[in-house]
Amino acid sequence: DTGVSQDPRHKITKRGQNVTFRCDPISEHNRLYWYRQTLGQGPEFLTYFQNEAQLEKSRLLSDRFSAERPKGSFSTLEIQRTEQGDSAMYLCASSLGSPGAPSYEQYFGPGTRLTVT
Amino acid sequence: AQKVTQAQTEISVVEKEDVTLDCVYETRDTTYYLFWYKQPPSGELVFLIRRNSFDEQNEISGRYSWNFQKSTSSFNFTITASQVVDSAVYFCALSEADSGYSTLTFGKGTMLLVSP
Repeated sequence: DTGVSQDPRHKITKRGQNVTFRCDPISEHNRLYWYRQTLGQGPEFLTYFQNEAQLEKSRLLSDRFSAERPKGSFSTLEIQRTEQGDSAMYLCASSLGSPGAPSYEQYFGPGTRLTVT
Repeated sequence: AQKVTQAQTEISVVEKEDVTLDCVYETRDTTYYLFWYKQPPSGELVFLIRRNSFDEQNEISGRYSWNFQKSTSSFNFTITASQVVDSAVYFCALSEADSGYSTLTFGKGTMLLVSP
């Protein structure tokens, strides 16, 4: 399978715990994106990487959230001190693209569903 | 104000009916891209189409067709002869030069239910 993969697919955690999600993009894609989707809503942009550089972060990304893409390949999204409001589907996507240039279509992974109890 | 509006929350049709999903967008950029994605019950977003703001030609792909009208800021999606497998949530999205084309702004989606 050469699509975008995410791990884990589901995560249940208690409020206050830290969680980390992993995303493996399509291998030749240099852009990687994180989105959050809550029930009945469209995905909302969180952050994106051009290779290993994190170029943009949404205001939705509080200081409890941190994302990395250390070698320009896979990425991790960590949420510290989780809150019930963090419960959502976290989606990763990847695409080709150059800084400032129109990106090609983004291909999405299956998502990680986080439930904070 | 929402940048991408999908006014239809849910549409129910019977198999073989044609159905049109509406999308209205808002942008100050002259160059932008519009997308449609499908999210079936399994949850994974599936890319359907990408269209740039300079290309107003309608596009047809099998039973799918798209009507882009800059004059009304709309990018509507029609499924001809719908099938049960078309049941999904469909999202329209916008990518703008102002954001360096780095992000997709999605509408809230339209849930399409096709019954046999």
